[in-house]
Amino acid sequence: QKEVEQNSGPLSVPEGAIASLNCTYSDRVSQSFFWYRQYSGKSPELIMSIYSNGDKEDGRFTAQLNKASQYVSLLIRDSQPSDSATYLCALSGSYIPTFGRGTSLIVHP
Amino acid sequence: DVKVTQSSRYLVKRTGEKVFLECVQDMDHENMFWYRQDPGLGLRLIYFSYDVKMKEKGDIPEGYSVSREKKERFSLILESASTNQTSMYLCASSSPGTSGRRSYNEQFFGPGTRLTVL
Repeated sequence: QKEVEQNSGPLSVPEGAIASLNCTYSDRVSQSFFWYRQYSGKSPELIMSIYSNGDKEDGRFTAQLNKASQYVSLLIRDSQPSDSATYLCALSGSYIPTFGRGTSLIVHP
Repeated sequence: DVKVTQSSRYLVKRTGEKVFLECVQDMDHENMFWYRQDPGLGLRLIYFSYDVKMKEKGDIPEGYSVSREKKERFSLILESASTNQTSMYLCASSSPGTSGRRSYNEQFFGPGTRLTVL
């Protein structure tokens, strides 16, 4: 049984700061790792995918993967109030992903 | 632009009614999924399908059935709705496209259906 662990938060950061969201997992077979953003009352939206160890940057977002330590993280630079949402980590070794329960992020002005 | 649509955003039904939730994707994806999401419990997989007419049980299939007659459409059926099935229902699709050793399986979600069973 794959397990994906996230701190439920809320993580509160001031506007303009770097928000750091972390996720650990138990399965060493997983090959694909994803971050989803979910606004309250809305569905999850894929924002980052990462498949190899190291960093992957996309605009203000950076995903970091360390397979040896079994963690994946998401950094949000220059955080904005519009980034306030729940962030779900997911991983997949087959076509069925396993989701964490999400971390709530609050960016206050 | 990728698109997954669901038949209703909000639905109110009575206990014992048969409920149909429909999902359509226009991305030619092989895989389709139904989840429910409840506060504190996260996303829970009800059923998934990896091909037309194929279906597999997820973690919480009891009280639900599914139908996939066409590649783009995946329906969730509540045979006899109960109050504990009040929830947000999310449909998703993905493609198992691979490149070398990578397995993509990026899931794209529909807007969700908030179902209330009275």
